[in-house]
Amino acid sequence: GAGVSQSPRYKVAKRGQDVALRCDPISGHVSLFWYQQALGQGPEFLTYFQNEAQLDKSGLPSDRFFAERPEGSVSTLKIQRTQQEDSAVYLCASSSGTPETQYFGPGTRLLVL
Amino acid sequence: GNSVTQMEGPVTLSEEAFLTINCTYTATGYPSLFWYVQYPGEGLQLLLKATKADDKGSNKGFEATYRKETTSFHLEKGSVQVSDSAVYFCALSDHLTGGGNKLTFGTGTQLKVEL
Repeated sequence: GAGVSQSPRYKVAKRGQDVALRCDPISGHVSLFWYQQALGQGPEFLTYFQNEAQLDKSGLPSDRFFAERPEGSVSTLKIQRTQQEDSAVYLCASSSGTPETQYFGPGTRLLVL
Repeated sequence: GNSVTQMEGPVTLSEEAFLTINCTYTATGYPSLFWYVQYPGEGLQLLLKATKADDKGSNKGFEATYRKETTSFHLEKGSVQVSDSAVYFCALSDHLTGGGNKLTFGTGTQLKVEL
């Protein structure tokens, strides 16, 4: 594909609902990252995949957050029992053989009411 | 841990003015340094990067030099345009225990360029 895509672009959830956010990385990119960007802040790392292996999840804020990439391509970030503090933009990024150049998707803006 | 500090915004300039956005970092080792830009309604885009001390990254008239002695990576442009209005993020690469490198970002600096 031309770039990293994410869906949905916007999501409104009632507190307590589960949500699933999808990321389609650039074709062939081995590495995939999820970041959380609160309003007026820089993105903060959540988790990292190399192919289907989740190598680091140290940034996930609680056990309500879960990410997967079962076939080493598309990834899903799931948030269970959403809370108001989960409201943020969730960014996905991918990279290839140049490990430090990450290409970002447009993000999913999550609003929890 | 590693961190990035950048000047607070918003920065408001007239078109054709000189731009400097300050960025300093704290890190162990020698990380790569980046500037990303976020235009209104769009995703983060890599603007430029530098991978070692004294390297200069440049793109679209923007420049930044990796200064190890002052742990800085200030963004400069000689003549800004209205189309440069965006939020600019300074970032560094941060090694992950499991392999790979995450990005650690500053809080962003909003630039507004007026006619």
